Amino acid sequence: GAVVSQHPSWVICKSGTSVKIECRSLDFQATTMFWYRQFPKQSLMLMATSNEGSKATYEQGVEKDKFLINHASLTLSTLTVTSAHPEDSSFYICSAPRKGDITNEKLFFGSGTQLSVL
Amino acid sequence: GENVEQHPSTLSVQEGDSAVIKCTYSDSASNYFPWYKQELGKRPQLIIDIRSNVGEKKDQRIAVTLNKTAKHFSLHITETQPEDSAVYFCAARDSNYQLIWGAGTKLIIKP
Repeated sequence: GAVVSQHPSWVICKSGTSVKIECRSLDFQATTMFWYRQFPKQSLMLMATSNEGSKATYEQGVEKDKFLINHASLTLSTLTVTSAHPEDSSFYICSAPRKGDITNEKLFFGSGTQLSVL
Repeated sequence: GENVEQHPSTLSVQEGDSAVIKCTYSDSASNYFPWYKQELGKRPQLIIDIRSNVGEKKDQRIAVTLNKTAKHFSLHITETQPEDSAVYFCAARDSNYQLIWGAGTKLIIKP
């Protein structure tokens, strides 16, 4: 079945370094990828929507220069947290509908990345 | 834009009893309402959904009801089991096909 593979699952990094998170759609093509951040005991907060071959759309309050998103192909989207700081520590998760599904009724979620910035 | 409120934030029920989680939405144009279950540190999983042309949907121990007039929808879990313990999220799909998420409910099943 369709799966979104997300890596890494866990990452611990020093303050000031950059971290790249990858989400790959397996067995299906994803024109769109939603990137969420989830703080402990809180809901999924949409950060940005990446679109294959074009610039990502960022939600209000999300710094596009800090959270770099690239959607280079129909199966790969990446989120890079640049110059990470402790306040960026969070659970990051991606999800994607199948290519052509604009209804978003069937979203495939990655397994999430727990980022801890020391 | 759409706003989704979810209550309660934490719900503790005795094993075997029923659990009900409620969500309200603000945009009358929203027409799709999924419920997701998320275990700690894992991906959300769709457990049931309902479209605006239906008032109720049931899948074994899980049911969802929708009141379009009042703009609220609820998740009902009957005969709760320990494995039902998780965080449950409701969502509403707005007119731009974006899912707007509720804040989540932590469901605790007491043995």
